[in-house]
Amino acid sequence: TQLLEQSPQFLSIQEGENLTVYCNSSSVFSSLQWYRQEPGEGPVLLVTVVTGGEVKKLKRLTFQFGDARKDSSLHITAAQPGDTGLYLCAGPRREYGNKLVFGAGTILRVKS
Amino acid sequence: KAGVTQTPRYLIKTRGQQVTLSCSPISGHRSVSWYQQTPGQGLQFLFEYFSETQRNKGNFPGRFSGRQFSNSRSEMNVSTLELGDSALYLCASSLGSSGGETQYFGPGTRLLVL
Repeated sequence: TQLLEQSPQFLSIQEGENLTVYCNSSSVFSSLQWYRQEPGEGPVLLVTVVTGGEVKKLKRLTFQFGDARKDSSLHITAAQPGDTGLYLCAGPRREYGNKLVFGAGTILRVKS
Repeated sequence: KAGVTQTPRYLIKTRGQQVTLSCSPISGHRSVSWYQQTPGQGLQFLFEYFSETQRNKGNFPGRFSGRQFSNSRSEMNVSTLELGDSALYLCASSLGSSGGETQYFGPGTRLLVL
């Protein structure tokens, strides 16, 4: 069982549509990070959320950290083909020396 | 500043063989972490090295080992390869080892075990 559950697993949408990806856990995290990974590349950090209830915006991407710091969401407005990729959430775990545990990811495909 | 580099990018081995993967961190970064990425299990933490010492370890068997050199470059070794070891192996570097620093990932080494 994944410590961080991401949904949906796969999303295929048309250019211009909006979408939301979710990252949920039964455990409290001190922070959560969102990464995007493109084929043949390693994950690239998009944002880190630290405070419960925090909302961060990165152009058309809006990230929210739940009040209880157990969940997070990523909302993309007017998706573009360049948004295509694997979106991963991750959080530090004390049992691993605060190294990251990752969700399984959401594969996003934006069709033009 | 050059990013994290990993060599080789692709590797094909057969069961029972061993393999060594290499990672060069961003200049000035002293922490290198290794992850295994598979379609079924996703990204899983293998271990972390900081100043030539293993600091943290994930839940992988002893066949997976690593080391770090004085220039912070790191190698990962997998002995007695199994089919299930086929995966993308990613390394990530960061300035320190407290866990709060941003990790920068390399492009990975894709290992196929036949």
